Amino acid sequence: EIVLTQSPAILSLSPGERATLSCRASQSISSYLAWYQQKPGQAPRLLIYAASNRATGIPARFSGSGSGTDFTLTISSLEPEDFAVYYCQQRANWPPLTFGGGTKVEIK
Amino acid sequence: QVQLVQSGPEVKKPGASVKVSCKASGYSFNDHYIHWVRQAPGQGLEWMGWINPSSGGTNYAQKFRGRVTMTSDTSISTAYMELSSLRSDDTAVYFCARDGSEYLFLYMDVWDKGTTVTVSS
Repeated sequence: EIVLTQSPAILSLSPGERATLSCRASQSISSYLAWYQQKPGQAPRLLIYAASNRATGIPARFSGSGSGTDFTLTISSLEPEDFAVYYCQQRANWPPLTFGGGTKVEIK
Repeated sequence: QVQLVQSGPEVKKPGASVKVSCKASGYSFNDHYIHWVRQAPGQGLEWMGWINPSSGGTNYAQKFRGRVTMTSDTSISTAYMELSSLRSDDTAVYFCARDGSEYLFLYMDVWDKGTTVTVSS
C-alpha cells in the first residue's frame, strides 16, 4: 500500500499570502496524484488531478506540480474561502486508493 | 446539475449492519463508477471501494472485504453501501463520490455531504 505523507500538518498564513503544501509518496506514483479541499462539515472538493490539472471551475490561483514521489499544491494568494484542510490522493497503485493525512491551512 | 444525495444519519448497535444509499441525478448514472469513502471523527479520508453501476462490478479495499457490499439499482439511479458486523471504530461519515470519468479515472469529482453512522451500545 502506498503511504502519502503530507506536510506541514498545519500552515498558518494570512490572506494574500502564498501557500505551499507538500505530499510525499512512499514509492513512485508517476503523476497519478490528486488534491482535494475540505471545509468543516462539507464533502471534499476535487481541485487538481494528474498532479497538475485543475478540475472544472477551480480558480487559477490553485496549481499543482511534481512527479515521482514529491508533489506540491500551491495557492498563489490566499482568499478567505481557501482556509480549509487539503488532502492528496494517489491512484497509481491500487487497491486501495490512498489519501494523505491532510494539511490544515489556518488563518494566522 | 450533477448531484448525489445520500440517505440520512444512522445509529446502530455493535454487530449490526447499516445500508447507506446514494441517489444520482443530472448525469447518466450508468456511465460513472461510484466510490465510497469514509471519515472517522477528526480523522482523514479512507477509501472503501467502488462499484460500476451498469455492470454491478465492484472492487473493495482489502480492509473491508467480507464486511462491505456495494450494489446499485440503475432503474432509480441509486447506489448502496452496506457494512456489516459494525464496531465502534466504524463510527464515521460515509461519503459516496462519482468517479471523474466514464473510464475509471480513480479521482472523485462529485461528492455528497455524507451520511453519519454512529455505532454505539
